Amino acid sequence: TQLLEQSPQFLSIQEGENLTVYCNSSSVFSSLQWYRQEPGEGPVLLVTVVTGGEVKKLKRLTFQFGDARKDSSLHITAAQPGDTGLYLCAVPTIYNQGGKLIFGQGTELSVKP
Amino acid sequence: EPEVTQTPSHQVTQMGQEVILRCVPISNHLYFYWYRQILGQKVEFLVSFYNNEISEKSEIFDDQFSVERPDGSNFTLKIRSTKLEDSAMYFCASRPPGHSNTGELFFGEGSRLTVL
Repeated sequence: TQLLEQSPQFLSIQEGENLTVYCNSSSVFSSLQWYRQEPGEGPVLLVTVVTGGEVKKLKRLTFQFGDARKDSSLHITAAQPGDTGLYLCAVPTIYNQGGKLIFGQGTELSVKP
Repeated sequence: EPEVTQTPSHQVTQMGQEVILRCVPISNHLYFYWYRQILGQKVEFLVSFYNNEISEKSEIFDDQFSVERPDGSNFTLKIRSTKLEDSAMYFCASRPPGHSNTGELFFGEGSRLTVL
């Protein structure tokens, strides 16, 4: 059983479309992070959500943490080819120690011009 | 903007050879990590390092692996006798002070290890 389940696994859309990807779990987390990874590069932090129900916006990206802090979503408005990449959610495993991160398997997004 | 740097970007080695992957974390960071990503699979935790010692390691991090911070800037991962299944992207990461509750990491661009 995966701690974090991301869906969909692959998503191919046209430029200008909207999309939502999900990160789900049966566990409760103190916080959750979203990263974006481009081919041949390391993950780059996009946002951290901490409070249940929290919504954060980063330009055309909207991140939401579920009320029960078990899940999160990432919505992209008017996707552009530059949004192409692997979107990863990750959670810290030990509260207040900032230990290792557990990653989901990612959503591979392809935005075609 | 400060960044984590890793060398080499790609290393090809023969099975059984020793490999050292090098990382220079961001200068004021205190926690250092190695992760790996086998092609098409998840990013997996290997080891965390704080105050000159390992603070946590995964099952993957067996006796063939070791980490060291030989001076104030470098952080290295050594694989003593490489196996085919060690082929992966290896990412170094560091964490800024004051982020212990949320654990955000800054990753390097990775070192691709190919074991033949």
